[in-house]
Formats: sequence, C-alpha cells, structure tokens
Amino acid sequence: SQQGEEDPQALSIQEGENATMNCSYKTSINNLQWYRQNSGRGLVHLILIRSNEREKHSGRLRVTLDTSKKSSSLLITASRAADTASYFCATRSNTGKLIFGQGTTLQVKP
Amino acid sequence: GAVVSQHPSWVICKSGTSVKIECRSLDFQATTMFWYRQFPKQSLMLMATSNEGSKATYEQGVEKDKFLINHASLTLSTLTVTSAHPEDSSFYICSSTGTSGSVLMGEQFFGPGTRLTVL
Repeated sequence: SQQGEEDPQALSIQEGENATMNCSYKTSINNLQWYRQNSGRGLVHLILIRSNEREKHSGRLRVTLDTSKKSSSLLITASRAADTASYFCATRSNTGKLIFGQGTTLQVKP
Repeated sequence: GAVVSQHPSWVICKSGTSVKIECRSLDFQATTMFWYRQFPKQSLMLMATSNEGSKATYEQGVEKDKFLINHASLTLSTLTVTSAHPEDSSFYICSSTGTSGSVLMGEQFFGPGTRLTVL
C-alpha cells in the first residue's frame, strides 16, 4: 500500500522561483528518497536522506526530514523550465520495498 | 550510476494476446528486481519483487497467473502480461538493486518504462 502522501499535488511557478514539495509517511523508515519523473519516462533518483539526518543538500536541491512528524520536504531553488516534472518521495519498508507517494507535478514556466 | 534498460519501450497489442517485457541491468548484477505499474497521472504501484533464481513475491491484489515474472539471471527479469485486456494498459517500470548494496539501504535504479496499450 502507498504510504507517502505529498502536497501539493500540482505546483506551477515562474522560472527563477523556488519550489517546495512536502511528503508525509506513516511508518518508521530507514531512509527517504526523492525521485523525478519526466512525462512518460522512468524515474531519476535525486537524493536520499537517512533517518538520522535532518537536512541534505545537492546542488539546487535541499531536502529536510522530520522523523517526529514523519514528514519530508524537497526544495528546488532558482527553478528552471527543465525542472518541469513529477516529483515523488519514497520510503523503504523493512522488507526493502520502496513505497511511493502520490507525487507532485511541477510546472516551471519560462 | 547503474543503468537499467527495458524492452520494448512501447507496445500495442490486441486483447487476448500475451506481451513480454524485459528488464536488464546493463553494468551490474541485480539480485533483486522490482516491477511497478503506473496509471496516467498516478504514482507507481509495486506489483512484485523478483529475486534471481526464486519465485517472485506478488503484492496483494496482483494476479500472479496474469503477470508472470521470471528472473532467470542476475541481469535479466521478464514480466509477461498474459491474455492482456484493455484495463492492463499502463506504464510498466522495473527497478533493481545491485548485489553489493543492501536492499534495505541502497539506491534503486529504474528502467525507462514500457508503455503497454491493449486494444
């Protein structure tokens, strides 16, 4: 069953603005991952944050994790039109399976 | 990163026929492969977990006789949609983890997906 819930479901911003997406989950986790999916394509791994980490950066990406609230956020700074995609959070169950959130569709207008 | 390929990238078939989708890890050995399906504008739903040399483990609600999975080698897993119907039309994506990383902690590498359309 899906355990990740994401909001907003859709986000439309202008190029150069920041985009923030949130993810909540239900059970305890080993790590949480964020993926990007361009329309009709496979998933690209963006960043992994472990349960003992609170914040992680990778280029224009910043991910936070609050295990007490069972939530995570993905911030994309200085967005570009090429960032237009769907973004999914995923948590790993204790059997190793990745459980995906519902996703946020981001549109960055040039 | 590791590369996972899928073949075909898209397929159109008639109702009642069977379709085989291949998932290959190109530069690493994959002991575990996962098969997902994704409906338009929805998230990925895990269908089954495939371990090399053993029977696949299917998620609740997924018919194992309809979605046949074979993981005969460390680099190849296949998903066969048997007696396909229009409701089986979907985007099917595989992923795998390497032998060197823990399946609990490691990164999963995703294939580019296969678009199946059943007429």
